Amino acid sequence: GAVVSQHPSRVICKSGTSVKIECRSLDFQATTMFWYRQFPKQSLMLMATSNEGSKATYEQGVEKDKFLINHASLTLSTLTVTSAHPEDSSFYICSADLVVGGNEQFFGPGTRLTVL
Amino acid sequence: GDSVTQMEGPVTLSEEAFLTINCTYTATGYPSLFWYVQYPGEGLQLLLKATKADDKGSNKGFEATYRKETTSFHLEKGSVQVSDSAVYFCALRGRGNNRLAFGKGNQVVVIP
Repeated sequence: GAVVSQHPSRVICKSGTSVKIECRSLDFQATTMFWYRQFPKQSLMLMATSNEGSKATYEQGVEKDKFLINHASLTLSTLTVTSAHPEDSSFYICSADLVVGGNEQFFGPGTRLTVL
Repeated sequence: GDSVTQMEGPVTLSEEAFLTINCTYTATGYPSLFWYVQYPGEGLQLLLKATKADDKGSNKGFEATYRKETTSFHLEKGSVQVSDSAVYFCALRGRGNNRLAFGKGNQVVVIP
């Protein structure tokens, strides 16, 4: 099946620094990738939809200047949390759209961000 | 808009017991329906799916049938194992829409 990777799996940073998370589709091309945020014991909250070669579409309430998304190629999307604060600590999950063969999304393993 | 409702609360049961997790949905037209499973500290894995009414998705002993008349997609497994302990999410994807709508998830704990 289609594989999506994320890097890093865990990151701890100081308040005020920026953190970049990578999402890669390893064996397929993804024109669309999605970024989610998940709080403990809760469901996934869609943050933004990332389209290759164009600007991301952010969900209501998500600060585009704080959560920068770049989708520069068909296999890579990055999420940069700028000037991170403790309230940004969360589990961030990406997914990639596989339209051919099943109309489903494949999810990365997630990145645990802890801001001190 | 599209939405998914899962039954409230965690589910705790003994090994080899029968598992049912209810899922109902609201959507226009004929969405695709999915069950995802999340193990501790990991991302989501697709468990099974159904793309049209009366389809039955199945995988690893789990089954769910797409019931348009009751707008439901309940997950069932006849005999659970400890390794089935995880969080299960029901989700839908509308026609012509590339976004998933998730239910709140159900924590399943299987006791030996």
